[in-house]
Amino acid sequence: NAGVMQNPRHLVRRRGQEARLRCSPMKGHSHVYWYRQLPEEGLKFMVYLQKENIIDESGMPKERFSAEFPKEGPSILRIQQVVRGDSAAYFCASSSSTSGRTDTQYFGPGTRLTVL
Amino acid sequence: AQKITQTQPGMFVQEKEAVTLDCTYDTSDPSYGLFWYKQPSSGEMIFLIYQGSYDQQNATEGRYSLNFQKARKSANLVISASQLGDSAMYFCAMSGFGNEKLTFGTGTRLTIIP
Repeated sequence: NAGVMQNPRHLVRRRGQEARLRCSPMKGHSHVYWYRQLPEEGLKFMVYLQKENIIDESGMPKERFSAEFPKEGPSILRIQQVVRGDSAAYFCASSSSTSGRTDTQYFGPGTRLTVL
Repeated sequence: AQKITQTQPGMFVQEKEAVTLDCTYDTSDPSYGLFWYKQPSSGEMIFLIYQGSYDQQNATEGRYSLNFQKARKSANLVISASQLGDSAMYFCAMSGFGNEKLTFGTGTRLTIIP
């Protein structure tokens, strides 16, 4: 009964490098969400995806950030040319596709990105 | 737009006492969900409890209950018989109808004193 899986748990990058964060949703869940948490702050929504589709990317920075959720494999959050301000905890959450109610999102353990 | 307000940045509570964490919200959605999550020092986000806007009863999950007052737009979390392991950050969040993004408050840091 695996929960939401994220890897790596910790990622260190130098300025200008690329960061790839992976998320595997809970079994049976087809909706994936990415959130960012800066130190001592709450979580901020970034993007909402279903298989092969981006549903809502209103929280994604316009440049350098992209996300995908392919038909096979995990969801990927990609940050190109990282800067120090990208240092944060990145959380993935998943939910089921039950219609007619607001579905609970279950979170992974997060990836702590540090940009040197 | 949705907004969550948590006005208590930190709270100290004696072990075994009950504690209430405040949360008020604002939304124009006719249907919405309210959530509480716990974030211990290890960093993970743990789902605690959910309340739907049209649910007739206040939600309960073990020692957690949600005091939902729709007219006042409040969704306070009540933890009964607090334990040392309850020390953590607590976030109130909401989403609109269906599978939509969560909007989080700034959190309350709860410390249980032995």
